[in-house]
Amino acid sequence: DAMVIQNPRYQVTQFGKPVTLSCSQTLNHNVMYWYQQKSSQAPKLLFHYYDKDFNNEADTPDNFQSRRPNTSFCFLDIRSPGLGDAAMYLCATSTKRGGTDTQYFGPGTRLTVL
Amino acid sequence: GQNIDQPTEMTATEGAIVQINCTYQTSGFNGLFWYQQHAGEAPTFLSYNVLDGLEEKGRFSSFLSRSKGYSYLLLKELQMKDSASYLCAALDSNYQLIWGAGTKLIIKP
Repeated sequence: DAMVIQNPRYQVTQFGKPVTLSCSQTLNHNVMYWYQQKSSQAPKLLFHYYDKDFNNEADTPDNFQSRRPNTSFCFLDIRSPGLGDAAMYLCATSTKRGGTDTQYFGPGTRLTVL
Repeated sequence: GQNIDQPTEMTATEGAIVQINCTYQTSGFNGLFWYQQHAGEAPTFLSYNVLDGLEEKGRFSSFLSRSKGYSYLLLKELQMKDSASYLCAALDSNYQLIWGAGTKLIIKP
């Protein structure tokens, strides 16, 4: 089945220790998104890629970086995680930017920072 | 600024009907989505409205009034598995999704 896959589902890291979250998709969608969602809050868009065109949200901290080496994969790097970065990180895809296409979400990675 | 308002929490009884309201203020408007999110899981798509009126899809219906900046999600014949958060999200003029914080729906037997 076509889907959005995120690994790992649960990630524990130490304060200041870099961590990478991964997302892959078999939907062949052009657009990939990374969201951060804290408990009982709306998902917050961090970045999105339209093909290889990277779009950073204005308020995304520099501590967060992203890579998309090919259509199928996208990575979220947190260079120096702080306690405030503990959250669920959601990857989503859609067929095109600037349209009304539904976003399809992966299962999320729950990040704990000790 | 852009804003989505929806109630934080609602409680309903199994078998009943519940309506979850959402009001939005966005720079331009290109449609409104409803997503369901079970605790600890990713959001899943429920509906998309861009024209005024009611769209029915099985037990779930979604309504939009563009002039009022208002939408609701109607859930009929509630089942225990419908206990989840329901997220309202509006597409602005730049096709950015503006998300609400979600309404936590608690279903009681």
